[in-house]
Amino acid sequence: AQKITQTQPGMFVQEKEAVTLDCTYDTSDPSYGLFWYKQPSSGEMIFLIYQGSYDQQNATEGRYSLNFQKARKSANLVISASQLGDSAMYFCAMRESFTSGTYKYIFGTGTRLKVLA
Amino acid sequence: DTAVSQTPKYLVTQMGNDKSIKCEQNLGHDTMYWYKQDSKKFLKIMFSYNNKELIINETVPNRFSPKSPDKAHLNLHINSLELGDSAVYFCASRGLVNSPLHFGNGTRLTVT
Repeated sequence: AQKITQTQPGMFVQEKEAVTLDCTYDTSDPSYGLFWYKQPSSGEMIFLIYQGSYDQQNATEGRYSLNFQKARKSANLVISASQLGDSAMYFCAMRESFTSGTYKYIFGTGTRLKVLA
Repeated sequence: DTAVSQTPKYLVTQMGNDKSIKCEQNLGHDTMYWYKQDSKKFLKIMFSYNNKELIINETVPNRFSPKSPDKAHLNLHINSLELGDSAVYFCASRGLVNSPLHFGNGTRLTVT
């Protein structure tokens, strides 16, 4: 079963508007972490934002915020005031325990975002 | 200063050959990973090492053999390359538990 699900293979957004990229996850581990990464066409993986399972508040980093709904097991990325440079592939990832003291990072299938001028 | 560096950036080779990809991190992290990104951009974990010890091996064929001579280095050797091995291979490292993975820039392997 998919542990991280990103249901939007592709999204379009107008420049300067906000966009939400969906991510749902599945884990029985009470302690886990959720991450979003950006992969531009140049190929590198850029870390954007982190949310811990015990964090009470939604994470924010500049124009990025994470809409964390623990009961629904969702961790959606919100990008405000979209810029042309935001066009990229976006991956949701989850860190969960593998064995005692070791951790796996599992990635979703990604959402390709295109910002329109 | 590059935090996680991989060499080479591109690797083109023929089926049946053996090749290696090197990875080094200067972040002082104890844990390193290899991921494979296929043509559909799916990222799949292959291996993880913690302080030179193999801790995760995700049912990767025996033709793939990681080696960690010290905690700053994690190399990947691939024997008898097959067409299906063509992909981008990412090395990554991690510090504290709540830290993100720090990725290298990837090695694009093309097997012809």
